[in-house]
Amino acid sequence: EVQLLESGGGLIQPGGSLRLSCAASGFSFSDYAMSWVRQAPGKGLDWVSGISASGGTTFYADSMKGRFTISRDNSKNTLYLEMNSLRAEDTAVYFCAKGRSRIAPREGDSWGQGALVTVSS
Amino acid sequence: QSALTQPASVSASPGQSITISCTGSSSDVGGYDYVSWYQQHPGKAPKLMIYDVNNRPSGVSSRFSGSKSGNTASLTISGLQAEDEADYYCSSYTRNNAVAFGGGTKLTVL
Repeated sequence: EVQLLESGGGLIQPGGSLRLSCAASGFSFSDYAMSWVRQAPGKGLDWVSGISASGGTTFYADSMKGRFTISRDNSKNTLYLEMNSLRAEDTAVYFCAKGRSRIAPREGDSWGQGALVTVSS
Repeated sequence: QSALTQPASVSASPGQSITISCTGSSSDVGGYDYVSWYQQHPGKAPKLMIYDVNNRPSGVSSRFSGSKSGNTASLTISGLQAEDEADYYCSSYTRNNAVAFGGGTKLTVL
């Protein structure tokens, strides 16, 4: 059974940094592209970033480029999202999602339960 | 403002069928056969219902089907059941090597 467990969320002041982790199990992590998707309170889904199976190719939403960095450690079956210069509008539940292909995270066929990030002073 | 446009809400009675539309552009929905649909119940993670326009993952009911015409994709749910009441989101791969989501549609089963 595929399991994705996000961690690292919490309360952070505006301008601060945070790193989210997503521990994967139940599948061959190094064979699949992965994504981060966020959802602000009461709002819809918002794609953040994706990464190929090897980690060699990364993809970002325009609004996140330059502030967020996605990475993965296939030896630890873990996906990461480094978030810098955080703003109040970054407040959301951040989900990690497993893709169906190696190259591009076009969809998420399994999702974690999410990590809440609250940006507030 | 979402890149893909969905109706805010739809409603129907049990046993009926509904269709949710998802309108984009030639840079996303119309340009790729990588449209997906997700179901999300309150407080839960999204669940993939349809991928690559019209494919169902293992375990998803055949009552759910997807299609696409031009820049508009559609999700049809037939034989509505109470447990289908949820939010539904479409997504599409885009020309910018990103993924765009629709704003979501709240389905109410009357």
